[in-house]
Amino acid sequence: EAGVVQSPRYKIIEKKQPVAFWCNPISGHNTLYWYLQNLGQGPELLIRYENEEAVDDSQLPKDRFSAERLKGVDSTLKIQPAELGDSAVYLCASSLHGTGEYEQYFGPGTRLTVT
Amino acid sequence: AQTVTQSQPEMSVQEAETVTLSCTYDTSENNYYLFWYKQPPSRQMILVIRQEAYKQQNATENRFSVNFQKAAKSFSLKISDSQLGDTAMYFCALHNYGQNFVFGPGTRLSVLP
Repeated sequence: EAGVVQSPRYKIIEKKQPVAFWCNPISGHNTLYWYLQNLGQGPELLIRYENEEAVDDSQLPKDRFSAERLKGVDSTLKIQPAELGDSAVYLCASSLHGTGEYEQYFGPGTRLTVT
Repeated sequence: AQTVTQSQPEMSVQEAETVTLSCTYDTSENNYYLFWYKQPPSRQMILVIRQEAYKQQNATENRFSVNFQKAAKSFSLKISDSQLGDTAMYFCALHNYGQNFVFGPGTRLSVLP
């Protein structure tokens, strides 16, 4: 079974430029999460999807961040414009049903460096 | 609000020895799940072990076991016979039904040869 796929693995951009990250969850997983992870810290939720619906985007900085999961499968997270403080690892995770009964499976992450 | 605290930023253990990582949490819910995740250097996060709050029996997975104290809201991870491959960041996480996962700040574990 294929795991959670993310691309790109690494991205270096200049500040004020746009950037997009892509995630393909495990087949059949209806819940998808985007997290931000700063160096040496735990993941912090940005947005959670149940199928196509964003059920929790309260921590997503909506002035510059946007996300979509149009067909309830893969998802894209965008930053426009990027700031120096956005440098971090962006993790995607998926789970079945969105309950604790099924743990989250994480992708390898995208390491973003904003110069 | 749900919170997870890991009071040990870094720990080290000799190969083949036993180490215990601490985690405390706070939630007003009665039914929830607790997890320990492992994140090796430059590698992706994987689940180590999970515990359902309604189960009194502590979960075990091979060399990994937990000490779940519901009244004290404590959830420690014991690693027996530590191996070099256990070197990683370890995150404790809390999940209430239908809500988000909350992660602790992590403990960096180094297994020394």
